[in-house]
Amino acid sequence: GQQLNQSPQSMFIQEGEDVSMNCTSSSIFNTWLWYKQDPGEGPVLLIALYKAGELTSNGRLTAQFGITRKDSFLNISASIPSDVGIYFCAGLAGGTSYGKLTFGQGTILTVHP
Amino acid sequence: GAVVSQHPSRVICKSGTSVKIECRSLDFQATTMFWYRQFPKKSLMLMATSNEGSKATYEQGVEKDKFLINHASLTLSTLTVTSAHPEDSSFYICSAKQGRWGNQPQHFGDGTRLSIL
Repeated sequence: GQQLNQSPQSMFIQEGEDVSMNCTSSSIFNTWLWYKQDPGEGPVLLIALYKAGELTSNGRLTAQFGITRKDSFLNISASIPSDVGIYFCAGLAGGTSYGKLTFGQGTILTVHP
Repeated sequence: GAVVSQHPSRVICKSGTSVKIECRSLDFQATTMFWYRQFPKKSLMLMATSNEGSKATYEQGVEKDKFLINHASLTLSTLTVTSAHPEDSSFYICSAKQGRWGNQPQHFGDGTRLSIL
């Protein structure tokens, strides 16, 4: 099925560094979501974006809904060891999709103390 | 808010056994629930969409007779893996959203690690 193009696939950073990841699509989405998944657990919603151009923050996390509705980015500032995990973007097309999400491939984040 | 509970968290059983996994929305009514399968370090792969009171919609390539889904109430959906075999071993995750339409985000359970010997 369709997937979003998420990059980078993995990142190895030092504690305190900022992180940026993004997702692009050939299709328009009405909603962009960012999730974090820890090993052996389900994804947890970090940020939801509902409007083109919207910029939303959640603590050290900031995400934006691209103006073309075909992309989104997530920034993490001043990373800490507990930021380690897999980050997924997800898009919601709306209409008759019953809320089916299209996921990115994920970004594996490793933070060295 | 928006808590989804999935049970059991881990199952180990013999080949040929049927296994039932439960997904409950604890603090909201979930008209629609979703079942995913995930391989190590990979993204989530949607198996089926479960709507309360109607038949589940399966994604292409997913055997509906193999993976039985029941969504009998607004807070519970179950996935039964029938006659499980080692190739069915995987991490299964459910999610739930409020409302059948609209752009409410999905909230995920903590997953079930299924190991078939």
